[in-house]
Amino acid sequence: AQTVTQSQPEMSVQEAETVTLSCTYDTSESNYYLFWYKQPPSRQMILVIRQEAYKQQNATENRFSVNFQKAAKSFSLKISDSQLGDTAMYFCAFILGGSQGNLIFGKGTKLSVKP
Amino acid sequence: GAVVSQHPSRVICKSGTSVKIECRSLDFQATTMFWYRQFPKQSLMLMATSNEGSKATYEQGVEKDKFLINHASLTLSTLTVTSAHPEDSSFYICSARDRRIMNTEAFFGQGTRLTVV
Repeated sequence: AQTVTQSQPEMSVQEAETVTLSCTYDTSESNYYLFWYKQPPSRQMILVIRQEAYKQQNATENRFSVNFQKAAKSFSLKISDSQLGDTAMYFCAFILGGSQGNLIFGKGTKLSVKP
Repeated sequence: GAVVSQHPSRVICKSGTSVKIECRSLDFQATTMFWYRQFPKQSLMLMATSNEGSKATYEQGVEKDKFLINHASLTLSTLTVTSAHPEDSSFYICSARDRRIMNTEAFFGQGTRLTVV
């Protein structure tokens, strides 16, 4: 069975600084997809970034980028130039390629951006 | 991205009554929708997978007679909490995936905060 682990329950960062959130996963499959979702206080789940396992290049979306280490089964999220609006719960998620099933979520990391 | 609409966003009901929550995919077809429950400061807990035209698949420990799921069309799934009790108070979220695109991310509704008094 696949699992996703987020080892940092809470983190904080100063506005304009950079922060990295950790995520590791476990699977014996080679075809899968990884995601980072953000859940702000409104509780709406918002997709931040996605990574296809077959792609070696790390995904980037503006201030958000990932460090995907397939051999180590690590998928960390880096937020640059942190903004107050980045304050949220961040969930790492996994799904097998070709699956129409549910995403497997980590327990989440609560990020607080301080002014 | 695709839009999933969930209603109501908040509902307060009396103990013993039933509450229906709707989840609609507005601009895509979803053969499968997912219902989650989220406790404060915790991750999403999958309750059931809703399949269009067939019975829902419930996760272990989730009472199918209490949480009735109907997926009557490719764009609508409903969750009915029957004979609600205060312990059913929680945040419920639905999500859906676009059947045309494999491996796409899941799109989420806005969530429903249920309070049973």
